[in-house]
Amino acid sequence: EVQLVESGGGLVQPGRSLRLSCATSGFTFDDYAMHWVRQAPGKGLEWVAGISWNSVKVGYADTVKGRFAISRDNAKNSLFLQMDSLSPDDTAFYYCAKGHESDQKSFASWGQGTLVTVSS
Amino acid sequence: IQLTQSPAFLSASVGDRVSITCRASQGISTYLTWYQQRPGKAPNLLIYDASTLQNGVPSRFSGSGSGTEFTLTITSLRPEDFATYYCQQTSIYPITLGQGTRLETK
Repeated sequence: EVQLVESGGGLVQPGRSLRLSCATSGFTFDDYAMHWVRQAPGKGLEWVAGISWNSVKVGYADTVKGRFAISRDNAKNSLFLQMDSLSPDDTAFYYCAKGHESDQKSFASWGQGTLVTVSS
Repeated sequence: IQLTQSPAFLSASVGDRVSITCRASQGISTYLTWYQQRPGKAPNLLIYDASTLQNGVPSRFSGSGSGTEFTLTITSLRPEDFATYYCQQTSIYPITLGQGTRLETK
């Protein structure tokens, strides 16, 4: 069974940094692209960042480009999101998602999400 | 690429047939995915490549379209189908999603 478990969320002040982690199991991690998707409370879904299986290709939403960095450790089956210069607009549930086997930019499996709250 | 879903809200009854439209601001071939999200839960992939049903998704769900206009159709609504639906384009980065369609009980 595919499992994705996010951690690292919490309350952080504007301008500060936070690093999210996603521990995975149940599939061959280095066969798949991985993504972060966020959802502000009561709002829609927003793709944040994606990374290819070998970390060669990464992509970011315009809203986070230059502030967030996605990375992965295939040896540890883990995905990360380094978030710098956080603003209240970054307040959201952050989901880790596994690429689909036929379309790696689709999100075949999701974690339960971790809440990031940016507030003073 | 911007995706515009319509309607934003949809009221229907159990047993009804409903359709949701997703329009892309430029052609995306069939790089279109649909998700269902129930309250308090993570989204669930329903359809990819515009019309391919994900394993385990009931056959009352179907997708169609190519280029800039796409449709998700649910035939014979069941109580568990009342949720929010999102389309997503996977043609090019940055990946974008529609604003969502909330399907409610009439």
